[in-house]
Parts: sequence; C-alpha cells; structure tokens
Amino acid sequence: GAVVSQHPSWVICKSGTSVKIECRSLDFQATTMFWYRQFPKQSLMLMATSNEGSKATYEQGVEKDKFLINHASLTLSTLTVTSAHPEDSSFYICSAGPGEQFFGPGTRLTVL
Amino acid sequence: EDKVVQSPLSLVVHEGDTVTLNCSYEVTNFRSLLWYKQEKKAPTFLFMLTSSGIEKKSGRLSSILDKKELFSILNITATQTGDSAIYLCAVGASGGSNYKLTFGKGTLLTVNP
Repeated sequence: GAVVSQHPSWVICKSGTSVKIECRSLDFQATTMFWYRQFPKQSLMLMATSNEGSKATYEQGVEKDKFLINHASLTLSTLTVTSAHPEDSSFYICSAGPGEQFFGPGTRLTVL
Repeated sequence: EDKVVQSPLSLVVHEGDTVTLNCSYEVTNFRSLLWYKQEKKAPTFLFMLTSSGIEKKSGRLSSILDKKELFSILNITATQTGDSAIYLCAVGASGGSNYKLTFGKGTLLTVNP
C-alpha cells in the first residue's frame, strides 16, 4: 500500500507556542490530504481537507486561524497549531491516498 | 450531515471465537466504505468496499457491503489475541470537489487467551 509519513511522532510544547506537523506521501503524489484529530477513547474527527495549491477546507467548528494548513507540493502538507493550549493536546493524524486513504503514523501533541 | 454508526461499541471474546462487527451509514454521494484496524497508533487499512454483495477477504478477515440496506459487516474467524484492537468503519463521500471520510466511533475488540 501507499506510504504516508508524519513528523514529528510526538511533541511537547509550552502553552502559547506554535507547533508544525508535517505529512508526506512517500511513493505517490497527493493533490489532497486530510488532517484528523483523535482524543483518547474517541474516534477520528476530520479537521480539514488540504488541497495542493489552494486553500484548505475546514470542517465546522475548526478554527482556520488556529490550525494553519499549507499544501505547497504534491507530497507535503503541514499543519501548524498556533498559540497552542492544553486543550489542543491530542493525537493528530494525516491521510492521503491514490484511492483508499492511508494514514500517517500520527503525531502526539502535549501542550503543557 | 453524514453519519456512520458502528455496533457493538465493545466486545470481549475468547481466542478461537468468530466475531461480526457492524457498520451502518447515512451519507450523501456515497463512494466507498472502508475498514481500518487501530492498535496503539494510527489506523491501518483493511478493506475498501464499493460494490454490494462482493465479499472481500484477507486471511481470517472478510467484509461485505449492502448498499441497499446501507450497512457493512466485518467478520473475523478463529480470533487471536493479536486481533485485539479498535476496528473503525469509515464512509467516503463526495462533497463538491472534495472526497472525505466520515468515521464511526469504532468497535473495541478484546480477545482473551
């Protein structure tokens, strides 16, 4: 299957700082990538759809100024959590795929 | 609003048992239904189903889709402790120019030795 990588796999930051998470498709080109958030014991919630060369599409209730998405190339999308707060602590996962969606390994963010 | 409902939410069985996990959905512009297995990290892909009545099989796992009744089942035969995981059902639908997945809450399967 297709390979999607994420970096970093975990990050701890202080409240008020910004954190950037990268999602890469390693063996295919992805015009669209998806960003999800998963809280403990809950399912994946779609945050936004990242479109190469254009603005991301955000789901209802997701602040676009807080979760900045950039999809500058066909193999890389980045999610920046700006001015992070403890309630942003979560597991962030991206997905992409030529057909079915393959997930990156996820990034566990802890905001102190 | 698109909706995906999985049942049961949790299930405890003994090794060797057969389990059936259910997924029903209500979506606009259905394109596909996918099953994933999630252990400690991100979900791993199991199956993608687009046509009714065609069983997909991989080892002890199999899945089938009924587009008329809007549901899918995932069967696991001769369960092993390594099958313990959360099984996620997701439905892919088109919305404008976008294709997106809506996930169910998952079924937590525990297989005891």
